[in-house]
Amino acid sequence: KQEVTQIPAALSVPEGENLVLNCSFTDSAIYNLQWFRQDPGKGLTSLLLIQSSQREQTSGRLNASLDKSSGRSTLYIAASQPGDSATYLCAVPTSSNTGKLIFGQGTTLQVKP
Amino acid sequence: GAGVSQSPRYKVAKRGQDVALRCDPISGHVSLFWYQQALGQGPEFLTYFQNEAQLDKSGLPSDRFFAERPEGSVSTLKIQRTQQEDSAVYLCASTYGGLPDNEQFFGPGTRLTVL
Repeated sequence: KQEVTQIPAALSVPEGENLVLNCSFTDSAIYNLQWFRQDPGKGLTSLLLIQSSQREQTSGRLNASLDKSSGRSTLYIAASQPGDSATYLCAVPTSSNTGKLIFGQGTTLQVKP
Repeated sequence: GAGVSQSPRYKVAKRGQDVALRCDPISGHVSLFWYQQALGQGPEFLTYFQNEAQLDKSGLPSDRFFAERPEGSVSTLKIQRTQQEDSAVYLCASTYGGLPDNEQFFGPGTRLTVL
């Protein structure tokens, strides 16, 4: 059974710092891995999707990497800003043919001005 | 609309009441998912539709939960005889195709509070 874990659960950094969020999964047979952002009281915004054949994806100040063999993904945020404060979730589809996502519990990030 | 929409955004129910939550997926999206997110947790899968067919309902916590998508577009999640443990955010997501590697797009969620 696939399990997804995110460490740390919470992170507080000063503005301008580069940071890394971690995501690990137990079953390496994944189709892809998706990173989401969730603001308080809001839904999920998709940030990056890495297909299983890819090693990384970049969007602006965000870079996500994927290492299937070790069951790990990282989300790198460069030059963090207070507006980056949110909860970040990673998720992988199950191996079933539905693609239902298994989520980690999230990392809540606070970037202090 | 450009994205997935859900209504109502907030719902307060007394224990024992029935509630109905609506999801409007992105136009043309074949697949639709419902997830439940408890406070401080990641979302957990409830049920999946491909067009009007409910292909997976393994995540529905009890027979008080029922979902439908009769015309393959709008979906409704119904909870009968609500209990306090049903309090959560209910998220809807849709994807263009029916493949498991398609990117999922989420709505804003409905926050249900059962008193």
